[in-house]
Amino acid sequence: DVKVTQSSRYLVKRTGEKVFLECVQDMDHENMFWYRQDPGLGLRLIYFSYDVKMKEKGDIPEGYSVSREKKERFSLILESASTNQTSMYLCASSARLGQPLSYEQYFGPGTRLTVT
Amino acid sequence: AQKVTQAQTEISVVEKEDVTLDCVYETRDTTYYLFWYKQPPSGELVFLIRRNSFDEQNEISGRYSWNFQKSTSSFNFTITASQVVDSAVYFCALIPDSSYKLIFGSGTRLLVRP
Repeated sequence: DVKVTQSSRYLVKRTGEKVFLECVQDMDHENMFWYRQDPGLGLRLIYFSYDVKMKEKGDIPEGYSVSREKKERFSLILESASTNQTSMYLCASSARLGQPLSYEQYFGPGTRLTVT
Repeated sequence: AQKVTQAQTEISVVEKEDVTLDCVYETRDTTYYLFWYKQPPSGELVFLIRRNSFDEQNEISGRYSWNFQKSTSSFNFTITASQVVDSAVYFCALIPDSSYKLIFGSGTRLLVRP
């Protein structure tokens, strides 16, 4: 069964803290993604990774960085958390283009981050 | 421009009613992929369906059906005999050819009342 897990469902951090959000997938997928979801704005892509140590900026990368040292794990880092980063963060993974089901993205349960 | 529009922000129906969620997309690509995802209150997005641009056949899966019309750039989703468990936010999404970036619509919140 397809499985994407995220380290926390709920997280509360203070302004200025460094925050790590972890995502792990067990499907041997090459591609992994980080989105944030805000009311009325839908899902917006922050960063994605198409291979270990490879990354590309999405639509809203400012204030975020990522790390992918192993194929199954993709971390989102908020270097200095700010209140406007309070949001729901969703991780997803998909197979490499050309592979079966390569376009379907499978999502984790999300992390609701509050920055106070 | 590559864009997905879900004009219905929120829909409320009574159980057993049929309901259609609208999705209109824009893309320059001739090959693309369309998706519907369901997000129940628990928060996790659940993949429902993928449709390729070169396959305009409509699809039915139990109480769910999808109507893909390239002529109007629409990919509408109908739930027949809705149930309370169908209450969720539904997202339509698009991937243009040779890309793995999902472009999401803003979602439609469906509330099915008993």
